[in-house]
Amino acid sequence: AQTVTQSQPEMSVQEAETVTLSCTYDTSESDYYLFWYKQPPSRQMILVIRQEAYKQQNATENRFSVNFQKAAKSFSLKISDSQLGDAAMYFCAYRRDTGNQFYFGTGTSLTVIP
Amino acid sequence: GAGVSQTPSNKVTEKGKYVELRCDPISGHTALYWYRQSLGQGPEFLIYFQGTGAADDSGLPNDRFFAVRPEGSVSTLKIQRTERGDSAVYLCASSLSRDSPYGYTFGSGTRLTVV
Repeated sequence: AQTVTQSQPEMSVQEAETVTLSCTYDTSESDYYLFWYKQPPSRQMILVIRQEAYKQQNATENRFSVNFQKAAKSFSLKISDSQLGDAAMYFCAYRRDTGNQFYFGTGTSLTVIP
Repeated sequence: GAGVSQTPSNKVTEKGKYVELRCDPISGHTALYWYRQSLGQGPEFLIYFQGTGAADDSGLPNDRFFAVRPEGSVSTLKIQRTERGDSAVYLCASSLSRDSPYGYTFGSGTRLTVV
């Protein structure tokens, strides 16, 4: 069974600083996808970034980047130049290449301090 | 529509009652998913539709839960004989296809409270 672990229930960062959110996962598959989703108080899950396991290059989306370590089964999210609007719950998620469902971690609540 | 619409936004019901939760996906999205998010947890998969058919219902917790998508667009999640443990946010998502590189678009969910 696939499991996703986020060991940081809460994190805080000063505005304009950098923060890294941790995620580890367990799988016996070689092909899969990893995601970071943001959930603000509106409850809508918003895709932040996506990584294909077969790609060695780490994905980046503007201020958001990941550190994907396949052998260590680690997938951390780095947010640079943090903004007040980044405050939200962040969920790491896994999906098998041929799978139908996401497996989500328990989330990290990010606070941005002005 | 421009996004995934879920109605109602909030629903309070008495234990033992029947409820229906509606999801209106993005037009043209053939894949539709239901997830349940309990307090302090990440979303958990319930069911996946490809078109009108339930391609994977392995996440439905028991036979009190049922979902339909009769015309391949709007979907309804139905819960019979509700229990207090059913209280959660029910999220719907849709995508162009299961393997869409753009991921899924989620709605804002229905918060179900069973009293």
